[in-house]
Formats: sequence, C-alpha cells, structure tokens
Amino acid sequence: AQSVAQPEDQVNVAEGNPLTVKCTYSVSGNPYLFWYVQYPNRGLQFLLKYITGDNLVKGSYGFEAEFNKSQTSFHLKKPSALVSDSALYFCAVRDPNTNAGKSTFGDGTTLTVKP
Amino acid sequence: GAGVSQTPSNKVTEKGKYVELRCDPISGHTALYWYRQSLGQGPEFLIYFQGTGAADDSGLPNDRFFAVRPEGSVSTLKIQRTERGDSAVYLCASSFVGVAGNTGELFFGEGSRLTVL
Repeated sequence: AQSVAQPEDQVNVAEGNPLTVKCTYSVSGNPYLFWYVQYPNRGLQFLLKYITGDNLVKGSYGFEAEFNKSQTSFHLKKPSALVSDSALYFCAVRDPNTNAGKSTFGDGTTLTVKP
Repeated sequence: GAGVSQTPSNKVTEKGKYVELRCDPISGHTALYWYRQSLGQGPEFLIYFQGTGAADDSGLPNDRFFAVRPEGSVSTLKIQRTERGDSAVYLCASSFVGVAGNTGELFFGEGSRLTVL
C-alpha cells in the first residue's frame, strides 16, 4: 500500500525567509511524487512533480522539491517566502507499478507567511 | 471550458435521498478521478477511470456509491440513500495519459460541497 505523511499541520515563517514543508512517503517501488497547493475557496493546483531523473525539481511560483530515496522524502522548499504563499499544501504519491492511476494524498500542511 | 468543471457547486439534501454529482474533465484527458475531502483532511481516493472503464474503484466506501463515465468524457458520481457521514467536498480531477504512461499531474475542479441534513 502507498501512503504519505506530512508531519507538520502548520508551518509559520516570516516573509523573506526560506521555507520547508516536509513530506515522507511509502511505496513498494519507485514513486511518482507531487505537490499541490490549495488556496481558500479554490481547487487544488499542481505545483511540481518528480517522475524520474534529477532529484531536484523546480515548479511554479519559485518552489522546488528534492527527492531523497534513502530517506523516502520529498520536501517542498522555497528560498524566500512571500505572504501570498500562505495556503494549504498537499504532498501526493503514486506507485506506477501497482496503482497506475491512484494518487494518495497527505493530510496537508498549512503554511502561514507573516509580513 | 479550459478547466475541470463540476456541478453543482453546492448540494444540500436530506438523509436517505439520492444525489448525482457531475464532472466535465479537460478535453483530451482520458484519465478521470473522484476524490472526497473532509475538513482538515487530504483528498481521499474514490475511483479512477481510464476511458470509459473504472480501472480502480477500491476507494468507494460501500455499495451506495457508484460512478459512471459512459462516453469516456463526462462522469457522474451517484450516491444512494445518503447519510450524514457522506457530507464532504467531492473533487473531480483529470489527467493526460501519454505514451510514457500515467505520469501526469491531476487537474482538479473546484468541487461539489455535499451537505446531508
């Protein structure tokens, strides 16, 4: 079975500081990994994904994430946070070997960036 | 439209009634998904269609829930004999499946909020 853990319900950072939102996963094979963002009263939006290749992937709005196979992690990062980054962030995993379609989501991390 | 469209955006019903939720995916996306999201939780997988067929319906909680996609485009999620515990936001998503397989990200609609009184 595939699963995702987001160990922090909330992350608070000051504007201009770096941010990290943590995600660990469990799958039987090589994972496909995704980050999505949900703004209030809006649908989930795709940020970035890791499928294969370079472990560091870059996505929308200056976000990036690093795939670490040994630690089974895919933490979301941004060098300099903006107030407008405040939102709910979800990590998701898909195991292409067993569940080609099903993505499993974490319970989300609320990011608050203070001016 | 350019995005995934879900109707209705809000549905209030009484316990025991039947409801249908509709999803119109992005044109050309052969994969379609239904998820359910409760307050404070991540989206919970319900069912995945590849074309017209349900490739994985392992997330449907019981036989009161059923979904169809008869022509490989629009999908309808059907809930019979609704219960208060069915109250949630029902999300639909679609994705493109290319020659490399299902590596695509999900494009979500804004959801249908179901309230069962």
